[in-house]
Amino acid sequence: DAGVIQSPRHEVTEMGQEVTLRCKPISGHNSLFWYRQTMMRGLELLIYFNNNVPIDDSGMPEDRFSAKMPNASFSTLKIQPSEPRDSAVYFCASRPTSDLYNEQFFGPGTRLTVL
Amino acid sequence: RKEVEQDPGPFNVPEGATVAFNCTYSNSASQSFFWYRQDCRKEPKLLMSVYSSGNEDGRFTAQLNRASQYISLLIRDSKLSDSATYLCVVNFKGTALIFGKGTTLSVSS
Repeated sequence: DAGVIQSPRHEVTEMGQEVTLRCKPISGHNSLFWYRQTMMRGLELLIYFNNNVPIDDSGMPEDRFSAKMPNASFSTLKIQPSEPRDSAVYFCASRPTSDLYNEQFFGPGTRLTVL
Repeated sequence: RKEVEQDPGPFNVPEGATVAFNCTYSNSASQSFFWYRQDCRKEPKLLMSVYSSGNEDGRFTAQLNRASQYISLLIRDSKLSDSATYLCVVNFKGTALIFGKGTTLSVSS
């Protein structure tokens, strides 16, 4: 079975550029999550979707960040314009249902460096 | 106060040792609890859920104390392959998970 797929795996860009991160959740999963991980702050939830609908985006740092889920098999996280402090590993995760004890499955992450 | 707090470690133990990690959470309305494991430069993976009555999975035992808002993970007979970062995870916002920063374990031969 294919797990959660993220692309690109690594991204190096210059400050001010637009960055788009992509995620394909596991087929049949109806919840999708975007996280950001840094040494200083650990793993932080940015936004999550249930059935393609954004449920909680309170973790999105600011207006420069936006996320979409146009269908059940694809989501994007966009940063425009990017800043050096956005450098982090961005993980996408999916879960089969909203059952509280259902496991979240993480993708391999996108390592973003903004110069 | 942070929502989920863990001792970052590192915990350096020899093979065969027993090691315990602790975690506290701030929201008494938290509903579900987990331990995830994260290897260096890899994604987090579920190690085990934590149930109110406590639960065991092989060499791993998890305990929950709701009154004290405290979760623990005990690893017996440590193996080299147990070296990783262990993340304490709590759910108290519906379906979203809140992660601790993790405790690093290094098992040496």
